[in-house]
Amino acid sequence: SQQGEEDPQALSIQEGENATMNCSYKTSINNLQWYRQNSGRGLVHLILIRSNEREKHSGRLRVTLDTSKKSSSLLITASRAADTASYFCVIAGGTSYGKLTFGQGTILTVHP
Amino acid sequence: SAVISQKPSRDICQRGTSLTIQCQVDSQVTMMFWYRQQPGQSLTLIATANQGSEATYESGFVIDKFPISRPNLTFSTLTVSNMSPEDSSIYLCSVVRQGVDNEQFFGPGTRLTVL
Repeated sequence: SQQGEEDPQALSIQEGENATMNCSYKTSINNLQWYRQNSGRGLVHLILIRSNEREKHSGRLRVTLDTSKKSSSLLITASRAADTASYFCVIAGGTSYGKLTFGQGTILTVHP
Repeated sequence: SAVISQKPSRDICQRGTSLTIQCQVDSQVTMMFWYRQQPGQSLTLIATANQGSEATYESGFVIDKFPISRPNLTFSTLTVSNMSPEDSSIYLCSVVRQGVDNEQFFGPGTRLTVL
């Protein structure tokens, strides 16, 4: 399996600001998925971007993918206190789907 | 998306005992997995739950410690056996919705504390 590495490790912003998190990886991919985990709760699937896509939107989320640089970014616009969570990028490639390797994630704190 | 439920949502157990965690999915899925998240850590894959055959365990995890059942395509159980405080973690089941994208979804998790 393959691992995405999130950057920064921690991000602290004020409500209403935008938050950008980055993900880098080393191998070829079929798709890249972003997840959110609120403190003490399960993982929520946020968005999936395919390897042939460059940008995808979902509500206040915007994900970009640059396969030449092997990187992705997650932008949360007009952040809210409820966006406070850990965010993970997960790489899916080959036939090992389901056997995901998680990085340490980015811990986002949005101050009201 | 797939709707996944887990029981119990949390439990506090004494060392030496065992706990069985249930995972129920609202639709038939081929691929089902169990993950562990130790305090302050990221997720680690324990095993793949195979329907009709023995689970496939990742390095560092063994069947005697984490027996898994998968009687059908919508249900699985994970047992944490002979528990110690080091087993205190969140345990999550996960399924893959097979298709073009093979999106993966996670249950709400079971928070286990071993005293």
